[in-house]
Amino acid sequence: GAVVSQHPSRVICKSGTSVKIECRSLDFQATTMFWYRQFPKQSLMLMATSNEGSKATYEQGVEKDKFLINHASLTLSTLTVTSAHPEDSSFYICSAARTVSLEQYFGPGTRLTVT
Amino acid sequence: KNQVEQSPQSLIILEGKNCTLQCNYTVSPFSNLRWYKQDTGRGPVSLTIMTFSENTKSNGRYTATLDADTKQSSLHITASQLSDSASYICVVRGYSGGSNYKLTFGKGTLLTVNP
Repeated sequence: GAVVSQHPSRVICKSGTSVKIECRSLDFQATTMFWYRQFPKQSLMLMATSNEGSKATYEQGVEKDKFLINHASLTLSTLTVTSAHPEDSSFYICSAARTVSLEQYFGPGTRLTVT
Repeated sequence: KNQVEQSPQSLIILEGKNCTLQCNYTVSPFSNLRWYKQDTGRGPVSLTIMTFSENTKSNGRYTATLDADTKQSSLHITASQLSDSASYICVVRGYSGGSNYKLTFGKGTLLTVNP
């Protein structure tokens, strides 16, 4: 149990366009989902925490208007990178938890390349 | 400031050999410590989880230790296999108030197992 999926696994987009990444909890309901970004040879950096039905909480330095997060159901959260730039190229990983106080289960990640 | 330091940064060993990875942390209050294996281009997969009262935990060829007094943990891999080549990440869960917890990630140790 506790399987988290992400789609797509890889995406290439042109600079200035927007791209949406989906995160799904397949076999449990997740009231809280987390979005991380990981640059090469670096650790995962938390971008934002989203609770189902409410606005996401962004970490300091993360632009909420650029990284739009929607957590409309207990099994799905989406991250939309708006007006993407090459510096947004990174590995984006989501995780999901049954509640904010319980353990997080990580998705397989999405490799975003902005050309 | 909560920090997790891992050593070495990278390690190359021959197939069949053993190795030990180190993790030092300053996270407080402490909730638990997990070791994750992250294959290239994939999300982290949990290997072991240890709470304050646990000293040793094994998962197949992986054995984790925890010294909560010195805030140190180690991950020992026995009889390494080529498929063990990956980044091993130490993640400490700390209590951040209310019902909230926060994960602090190490940068990982990149292990390469050569034939």
